[in-house]
Amino acid sequence: AQSVAQPEDQVNVAEGNPLTVKCTYSVSGNPYLFWYVQYPNRGLQFLLKYITGDNLVKGSYGFEAEFNKSQTSFHLKKPSALVSDSALYFCAVRANAGNNRKLIWGLGTSLAVNP
Amino acid sequence: NAGVTQTPKFRVLKTGQSMTLLCAQDMNHEYMYWYRQDPGMGLRLIHYSVGEGTTAKGEVPDGYNVSRLKKQNFLLGLESAAPSQTSVYFCASSPGTLLAKNIQYFGAGTRLSVL
Repeated sequence: AQSVAQPEDQVNVAEGNPLTVKCTYSVSGNPYLFWYVQYPNRGLQFLLKYITGDNLVKGSYGFEAEFNKSQTSFHLKKPSALVSDSALYFCAVRANAGNNRKLIWGLGTSLAVNP
Repeated sequence: NAGVTQTPKFRVLKTGQSMTLLCAQDMNHEYMYWYRQDPGMGLRLIHYSVGEGTTAKGEVPDGYNVSRLKKQNFLLGLESAAPSQTSVYFCASSPGTLLAKNIQYFGAGTRLSVL
């Protein structure tokens, strides 16, 4: 079965420190991978995606993510966290094979950046 | 730019009442989606549409109906609301091009309570 896992419900980090939000996936074929962010009382916003090519993908607001095929992971990272990065982060994957091409969403990770 | 607009933003219903949630997008997107977001459940796809006049069932379609009579609008109907339908509802849209169609643009959400 195809799935996405975000193993941490919550991540806490001090402002200025690096942050990592983890995502692992299980799909058939080569995956398309996405990160979205949701600020309080707002809809989700696209951050970045991996389709093919360079394993390190850069996105909005200084975020980046690294695709690791052997570990089936797509962790979101930022070198220096800001208090304004506090939000809910969702990983999503689309299988690039078979008939089911819809996005599969993780349950989300709440990031809290402390001043 | 308006993007994706959802109306209403908040609604309280009594069990058995009906209502329609309206989603409008001004980006000429082919694809539109309705999700519900519940604590601990992440995002779940209710229905989606790949073009004007078409609709399809998602993961949790029971108790909901949809219509896409115009390309820019996607309506979600609850014929007889139940407390289990208390949730935050998000509409999203995406372009129809191959690589871009999974970058989804979200509305701000409708918070629905069914008493």
